[in-house]
Amino acid sequence: DTGVSQDPRHKITKRGQNVTFRCDPISEHNRLYWYRQTLGQGPEFLTYFQNEAQLEKSRLLSDRFSAERPKGSFSTLEIQRTEQGDSAMYLCASSLDGGVYEQYFGPGTRLTVT
Amino acid sequence: GQNIDQPTEMTATEGAIVQINCTYQTSGFNGLFWYQQHAGEAPTFLSYNVLDGLEEKGRFSSFLSRSKGYSYLLLKELQMKDSASYLCAVRDQGYNKLIFGAGTRLAVHP
Repeated sequence: DTGVSQDPRHKITKRGQNVTFRCDPISEHNRLYWYRQTLGQGPEFLTYFQNEAQLEKSRLLSDRFSAERPKGSFSTLEIQRTEQGDSAMYLCASSLDGGVYEQYFGPGTRLTVT
Repeated sequence: GQNIDQPTEMTATEGAIVQINCTYQTSGFNGLFWYQQHAGEAPTFLSYNVLDGLEEKGRFSSFLSRSKGYSYLLLKELQMKDSASYLCAVRDQGYNKLIFGAGTRLAVHP
């Protein structure tokens, strides 16, 4: 399978704990995006990378969230001191650079904070 | 501000045609995308418009009017498997992030 993959698919954690999610994009895609989706809403942009450079971060993203893409391949999204409001589906997407290229989404990581 | 509006829910009959509308007001525009999302699954790409007019792909067509900030997705010969959420998304300037609407949940009945 050569699509976008995410790990884990599900994560249950207690409030205050830290969690880390991983995304492996399609191999030739140099752009990688993180989105968050809650029930009944469309995905909401969090941040994106071109190669290893993080080029934009949503103003909605608190300091508890950090993302990396150290070698321009896979990416990690870490949430520190989780809160119940962080419960959502975290989606990763990748694309080629520019033009008509659509973003391909991974299956997502569903986070539940208890 | 960024605002994308689409109806919350629609129902249609198998074999029929349905049109899902989307209106947008965004600070930048570099294309409009439609995605399909089945419950619990990732969004999958359906269509893309950057110039005014109609783009056709099999049973799916999408229309764009940039001056009106308006798009629609037309689904023909509806099948039960078309029951899903349909997401309208505007790409921000610079080929960057997508700004999504809340999605339209389509239910196809026999």
